[in-house]
Amino acid sequence: DQQVKQNSPSLSVQEGRISILNCDYTNSMFDYFLWYKKYPAEGPTFLISISSIKDKNEDGRFTVFLNKSAKHLSLHIVPSQPGDSAVYFCAARIYNQGGKLIFGQGTELSVKP
Amino acid sequence: DADVTQTPRNRITKTGKRIMLECSQTKGHDRMYWYRQDPGLGLRLIYYSFDVKDINKGEISDGYSVSRQAQAKFSLSLESAIPNQTALYFCATTAQRADTQYFGPGTRLTVL
Repeated sequence: DQQVKQNSPSLSVQEGRISILNCDYTNSMFDYFLWYKKYPAEGPTFLISISSIKDKNEDGRFTVFLNKSAKHLSLHIVPSQPGDSAVYFCAARIYNQGGKLIFGQGTELSVKP
Repeated sequence: DADVTQTPRNRITKTGKRIMLECSQTKGHDRMYWYRQDPGLGLRLIYYSFDVKDINKGEISDGYSVSRQAQAKFSLSLESAIPNQTALYFCATTAQRADTQYFGPGTRLTVL
C-alpha cells in the first residue's frame, strides 16, 4: 500500500525549461511534505518543504505546490540546469508520529544542455 | 566534516552472516532513523529512535535489529543476512520538533 506515489520514474527536460515533478498521496493525516534530491553515491539532501496549511512555497528556482483536495504535490524547477539532474523524492510526514516520513519511489530528472 | 557518517560505505557478505552497519552524527539530534532504498520502491523505514531508551519498529523491521548506544550512535544489525536484504541503507537524524531529516551518505550492502 503505497501512501506516497511518484508515478513517473524518469523525466527529461531541456536546460532552461521548466521541470515539473509530481507526487500523489492517499493519507489525509499527512501534515508536512518535503522534497529531497539525491545524487549517485550520496544520501538524499533536503530541498524544499510545505506545510499542509499552505498551497505554495517558493525558494529561488524551486517552487512546491500543494493541492489538498486532489491530494497532489508538485515541484517546479525554473529554469532547469544540468546540475539539477538527480533523483527527486517526495516525502510526507504523518501528523503526531514523531517525525516519521513516508517516501515516494523517486523520479530521476535529466536536464540536457 | 560530515554531520552524519555511515560505516562501512560498501559491504559484500554471504547469506547467513551477521553484519552491523553503523551511523554516527555530530548534529546533536535526538531522533535517528534507518531506511533502505530499493529500485522502484523509494526509501522505506526500518527502525527509528527518539532517544537512547526509545526504539521503535518501522514498516519493514523483520530481519533487522538496532542498538542506540549513545545519542550520537545508532547501529543496524542483520542477524542472518539474506539476498533480498541487498540494498542501499541510509541513516538519518532530526531534532525534536524539527521538520527536516538529514541523511548520511549511505551503505551499499550486497548479500550473496
